[in-house]
Amino acid sequence: DVKVTQSSRYLVKRTGEKVFLECVQDMDHENMFWYRQDPGLGLRLIYFSYDVKMKEKGDIPEGYSVSREKKERFSLILESASTNQTSMYLCASRVGKNIQYFGAGTRLSVL
Amino acid sequence: GESVGLHLPTLSVQEGDNSIINCAYSNSASDYFIWYKQESGKGPQFIIDIRSNMDKRQGQRVTVLLNKTVKHLSLQIAATQPGDSAVYFCAEIGTGGGADGLTFGKGTHLIIQP
Repeated sequence: DVKVTQSSRYLVKRTGEKVFLECVQDMDHENMFWYRQDPGLGLRLIYFSYDVKMKEKGDIPEGYSVSREKKERFSLILESASTNQTSMYLCASRVGKNIQYFGAGTRLSVL
Repeated sequence: GESVGLHLPTLSVQEGDNSIINCAYSNSASDYFIWYKQESGKGPQFIIDIRSNMDKRQGQRVTVLLNKTVKHLSLQIAATQPGDSAVYFCAEIGTGGGADGLTFGKGTHLIIQP
């Protein structure tokens, strides 16, 4: 069965903290994605990766970075968390131009 | 209904009735479409997909219709059940824009009335 696992369901952090969101997939997919989802704005792509050590900016990369040291793991990093980064973060993976599978999401609150 | 780029609409249906959720897309080069279901507090879950060389595809209680002439996609859910309450959104994959041309609609909130 397809599985994309996000390490935390809920996180509360303080402004200025460095935050790591981890995502692991067990399907040997090349492509992995990080989105944020906000009411009325839908899914917005932050960063994506086509392969190990490769990364591409999405539509809203400012304030974020990513790391892909292993094929199965894609990490999203908030270098200095701010209140406007309070959101639901979704990780996804896929192979080629096919179904994109999502994790359960991490709801991040920055105080 | 839903259109890629518009605010989240709501569709309310009676339990047992059929539901039809619509999605309009703008990229005529899109060649693959996916419908997702997202329940409250959960990640989006794949429902059904369709490629541009088809105009209809059926799954269990769900049917997706694609009209390329008017760039319109719909999801039909038969005999709607309480567990169908969720936000439904379409995604299109084409040759331009975003990561591999992947574009998501903002979603339609389906509410089931008892």
